[in-house]
Amino acid sequence: SQQGEEDPQALSIQEGENATMNCSYKTSINNLQWYRQNSGRGLVHLILIRSNEREKHSGRLRVTLDTSKKSSSLLITASRAADTASYFCATDGGNTPLVFGKGTRLSVIA
Amino acid sequence: DTAVSQTPKYLVTQMGNDKSIKCEQNLGHDTMYWYKQDSKKFLKIMFSYNNKELIINETVPNRFSPKSPDKAHLNLHINSLELGDSAVYFCASSQGTGASGNTIYFGEGSWLTVV
Repeated sequence: SQQGEEDPQALSIQEGENATMNCSYKTSINNLQWYRQNSGRGLVHLILIRSNEREKHSGRLRVTLDTSKKSSSLLITASRAADTASYFCATDGGNTPLVFGKGTRLSVIA
Repeated sequence: DTAVSQTPKYLVTQMGNDKSIKCEQNLGHDTMYWYKQDSKKFLKIMFSYNNKELIINETVPNRFSPKSPDKAHLNLHINSLELGDSAVYFCASSQGTGASGNTIYFGEGSWLTVV
């Protein structure tokens, strides 16, 4: 069954602005990951946050996790046209495999 | 030196045909997967193999049969193709099974169109 749900489904911003994407999930998790998919390509891992972590940074990426609300957010600061892609959250718990959401399509306009 | 490679990248075939998609990973990972991404970008796991052993078999028609000759290869054979099978199929691998928070490495996808 589908676990993660990203919001919004699509987001369009100007270059230099920040982009925030949200992910909500239904059951308890061990970890949550964010992946990026460029058009016509495979998914690429961005960042992993464990259930006992609240925030994590990687370059221009900032991920937060609120297990009480069963939600996570991905913030991309100072966006660039090259950030245009779909972004997926994926959760795992117990012995289940990663379950992906439907993704947020981000368009960064130069 | 692509980490996870799958062939063919594009495949157009007629209904009723049988086709295979091949996948190889050179990362030394123990676990391999097949995911299906539909036209709405929803990515759903189909199968998972750990050291050549099937560990996950989601609700997939039995027309789909994975085969893992060794832990570096996981092929997907599809019998009697139907229009609804049109999708992008992604092969992937990870060191663990995903439960321990391991990163999944994806191939570039195989675009299957059934006409």
